[in-house]
Formats: sequence, C-alpha cells, structure tokens
Amino acid sequence: QTVVTQEPSLTVSPGGTVTLTCASSTGAVTSGYYPNWFQQKPGQAPRALIYSTSNKHSWTPARFSGSLLGGKAALTLSGVQPEDEAEYYCLLYYGGARPWVFGGGTKLTVL
Amino acid sequence: QVTLRESGPALVKPTQTLTLTCTFSGFSLSTSGMCVSWIRQPPGKALEWLARIDWDDDKYYSTSLKTRLTISKDTSKNQVVLTMTNMDPVDTATYYCARILWYSSSWRFDYWGQGTLVTVSS
Repeated sequence: QTVVTQEPSLTVSPGGTVTLTCASSTGAVTSGYYPNWFQQKPGQAPRALIYSTSNKHSWTPARFSGSLLGGKAALTLSGVQPEDEAEYYCLLYYGGARPWVFGGGTKLTVL
Repeated sequence: QVTLRESGPALVKPTQTLTLTCTFSGFSLSTSGMCVSWIRQPPGKALEWLARIDWDDDKYYSTSLKTRLTISKDTSKNQVVLTMTNMDPVDTATYYCARILWYSSSWRFDYWGQGTLVTVSS
C-alpha cells in the first residue's frame, strides 16, 4: 500500500514563510511523480494551486511556489496572509495502472 | 469557462449501488489529453483518489476500490458516470469530479466540481 505523508499541522505568523512537504513511502519524490498541490478551506471544494512540481495556475497567488526538496515535494508560502489558513493536500502520480495517491493533508494555521 | 457539477442520490442504503454523474462544460472529453477523475472525502478526513477516464476511453482505478468501481463517459452529453457497488457506511463522503490535463509532459489537475455529499445509511 503506497502512502503519501504530509505534516499534520503547521503554524506560521502573518508575513512569514512556511514550507509544507510531501513524502512517498516508495522513496524519493521526483518530477516524474508530477506533484500537484491543492488548498481546501472549510466547506469548500479543493482549489488547485500547483501542478507538475512547480507550475502555477493562472489564479495561483505569486506567494505560493512548488519545488522538490530533500527527496520530497514541497509547497512554500512566502509572505503568508491570514486567508492562507486552510488544509493543503499534495497528490502524487505513480504511473501506468497505478493510481494517484493523495497525502493526508496539512492543516496550516496563521497565527 | 470550465465547470463541473456532480449529481446523484444524497442517501443510499448499505449494499446498494451508487451512481454519480459529473456533467461538465467548457471542454470536450474527446480532445486529446483531457481526463476526468473522481475523488472523495469522508467528513473530516483526507481526500481519496478513486478513478480516472481519459479522452481515449482508458480507465484507471484506485487499487483498494478497483473491484467496486466503474467509470464511463458519454462524450455527446459531456458526462462522466461513476458507479460504486456494495455501498457501506464507511463510503459516506463528499464525492468530487475534477478535470485533468495531460499537456506538455505535465499532469495538471485544474477545475473541480463543488462536490455532492452521499450518506450511506439504512
């Protein structure tokens, strides 16, 4: 069973910088896992932020960036705003007939 | 403008089969690189990827749910249908459909529906 692991929770101060990570039980995450990142606020559908490691959608604020860091996929928020308080999910692609797998989510608190 | 909307029963009984429809606009599922996925989220829990159907009718399923899921498309109606057999209370969740693009050697999830809550109870 493939498991994708994220930090359960993180806290950041307004204006600060925080990095969320996404690890695979199969080993190092590479660009071939095409990491996607999503933001979900209570009562809302997920919103796509980043695709294929580091590409932003047209609606993604500039303060969000994606990368690979130490064998994991990473989402960095720079200059955090109060409205960034949300749950963040990563999604990894395992190729062929194997499924996509979501991480367990990171609850980001802006305090 | 791309939109997706999920529809289906709000309540199903244990052992019944669930049928959900994703009706979309703003794109065609016959266009090369277009895909639609189903994802679910039990109350208070994480997202779970369920299934994907591609423009060429290739289909992919969650390993753990593969025996219970069927995904299909009706390109003329701009719809994707997911059926899940032998429903159980643990299948209570909000079910989402989302568009995926395979484009320029990238997998891109972009647009999501608002989700539909399905409760499994007798």
